[in-house]
Amino acid sequence: GAVVSQHPSWVICKSGTSVKIECRSLDFQATTMFWYRQFPKQSLMLMATSNEGSKATYEQGVEKDKFLINHASLTLSTLTVTSAHPEDSSFYICSPPLRDRGNYGYTFGSGTRLTVV
Amino acid sequence: SQKIEQNSEALNIQEGKTATLTCNYTNYSPAYLQWYRQDPGRGPVFLLLIRENEKEKRKERLKVTFDTTLKQSLFHITASQPADSATYLCALAESNTGKLIFGQGTTLQVKP
Repeated sequence: GAVVSQHPSWVICKSGTSVKIECRSLDFQATTMFWYRQFPKQSLMLMATSNEGSKATYEQGVEKDKFLINHASLTLSTLTVTSAHPEDSSFYICSPPLRDRGNYGYTFGSGTRLTVV
Repeated sequence: SQKIEQNSEALNIQEGKTATLTCNYTNYSPAYLQWYRQDPGRGPVFLLLIRENEKEKRKERLKVTFDTTLKQSLFHITASQPADSATYLCALAESNTGKLIFGQGTTLQVKP
């Protein structure tokens, strides 16, 4: 259970353009979704939590105007990197919270490798 | 401040040996700790979860220990195989939000 499908798996974009990353829950309804970012040889850092039907919650230091998060339905959460710059190049991963996370681990999307040139 | 540290960035061992990875944390009182495997270019995959009242957990060739006094978890892979080569992450979940806080990971290389 709690399978998520993340697209695209990789994307190359020009500096100044925007990129949208989708995370779809396939076998459950997700009222929230965690979005992580991982730079090379570093660990996953939580960026924000999307909430279905309301505003996302951003972690300290994450620019909400740059990383637009939308959770329009119970099966789709999106992260849009606006006006991308080379320093935004990273690995972005979504992960749904589980109802019974005390007994099971979390699942993660397959990740999106963003390269800004 | 809260911190999770994995003791080494990289670990190289010979096939058949036991790999031991360490995870230390400070300023947390976690109800449970988790271990994940991450292959290059992929999202993490859940391996094991151990609760604060459990000393040890096993799953096939994997074993995790949890010492809440030392604030440390050890992750063992016995009879290691080259296919075990990956990055292993430990993680703690914030009790009120469920957010996962990850260690920086240890990259294991098992040589044939």
